[in-house]
Amino acid sequence: AQSVTQLGSHVSVSEGALVLLRCNYSSSVPPYLFWYVQYPNQGLQLLLKYTSAATLVKGINGFEAEFKKSETSFHLTKPSAHMSDAAEYFCAVRVSGSARQLTFGSGTQLTVLP
Amino acid sequence: SQTIHQWPATLVQPVGSPLSLECTVEGTSNPNLYWYRQAAGRGLQLLFYSVGIGQISSEVPQNLSASRPQDRQFILSSKKLLLSDSGFYLCAWSVRTEYQPQHFGDGTRLSIL
Repeated sequence: AQSVTQLGSHVSVSEGALVLLRCNYSSSVPPYLFWYVQYPNQGLQLLLKYTSAATLVKGINGFEAEFKKSETSFHLTKPSAHMSDAAEYFCAVRVSGSARQLTFGSGTQLTVLP
Repeated sequence: SQTIHQWPATLVQPVGSPLSLECTVEGTSNPNLYWYRQAAGRGLQLLFYSVGIGQISSEVPQNLSASRPQDRQFILSSKKLLLSDSGFYLCAWSVRTEYQPQHFGDGTRLSIL
């Protein structure tokens, strides 16, 4: 069965600093991976997706993620944090053979300090 | 383009009252549809999903039910709400191609008194 683990339920960075949100996956088949962002009292918005093409995936709002098979990781990064990046971020993996499609991590709350 | 509508945005209900939350999708046909619940400070819990009209799969036993009376309409219901039903309810859709993401509505904040 596929699963994802997000390390760190809370991450704080200063404005302008590097953002690194960690996600490790477990999958017996080539995974399809996704990152979502959720602002308070809103639904989830897709940031980016990995579907076995390029290992470095660029998303919206300056975010990108790199798929590393050897490390079973799909960490989300942004070179310079902005106050508007404060939100909760979810990593998700496709569940093979099921219309359920996605299993989500427990989320990482990102705080951006002025 | 595709859009997803969820309503109401907020709802306050007494314990024991019924519930009906509605979700509709526009701009696509034959979508997979999903209901999630997000309790305060917790991740997403998949409640139900549907691959077609009248086809509902339940992920978690509870006093909630779901129905899909039309291709792009998904309804979450309860006959008698419990305090534990409080939370943020999210509807989502996806196309059936296996690597496509899910797209979420804006959610319904449900408070049970």
